[in-house]
Amino acid sequence: EPEVTQTPSHQVTQMGQEVILRCVPISNHLYFYWYRQILGQKVEFLVSFYNNEISEKSEIFDDQFSVERPDGSNFTLKIRSTKLEDSAMYFCASREQAGGWQETQYFGPGTRLLVL
Amino acid sequence: RKEVEQDPGPFNVPEGATVAFNCTYSNSASQSFFWYRQDCRKEPKLLMSVYSSGNEDGRFTAQLNRASQYISLLIRDSKLSDSATYLCVVNSFRYGGATNKLIFGTGTLLAVQP
Repeated sequence: EPEVTQTPSHQVTQMGQEVILRCVPISNHLYFYWYRQILGQKVEFLVSFYNNEISEKSEIFDDQFSVERPDGSNFTLKIRSTKLEDSAMYFCASREQAGGWQETQYFGPGTRLLVL
Repeated sequence: RKEVEQDPGPFNVPEGATVAFNCTYSNSASQSFFWYRQDCRKEPKLLMSVYSSGNEDGRFTAQLNRASQYISLLIRDSKLSDSATYLCVVNSFRYGGATNKLIFGTGTLLAVQP
């Protein structure tokens, strides 16, 4: 069964450093998402991406965040200058474009980011 | 009011028990609803979509009441392997938008005891 993959599985960084989280969505999917989950809290939407542009972003997704689809397979989330509060599990998700509201989003295994 | 609100947990039940989870959502324009399961430190995985007429998948039954903005999940004959956090998830609706972002509840932890 096709699946979303993410690398790295864990990332430790110093406050102020840049990090890039990578995702390979399912190959025929056209909508891509990043969510995050701070330890002990709920999963929160960050950003959605379609047709090579952001279609929606949350209040969390400020100027320090950016997303990119540099080639036909990877989808990246960059945090320019990490803060302690960016420590969380970051999930990538993708879905097919079928237009249905019931369309399932498939989640990757996540990248656990720890900012020291 | 929270966008998606769930029963506080944890639920500790013996094997074989029937357990019910409840959830309410605030956006009456929401179009689709899901139950996801999340194991400790893992990604959310779709358990089942929730349809207006209610739907069943083996031991799992989901119900939707649009008038009350209420969603439920019933697990019958619970197994040790059902131990996980159950997430109520609503597809956010925005006129003119096609994002289909998911709004998650905080989840309810289920621990099935032998």
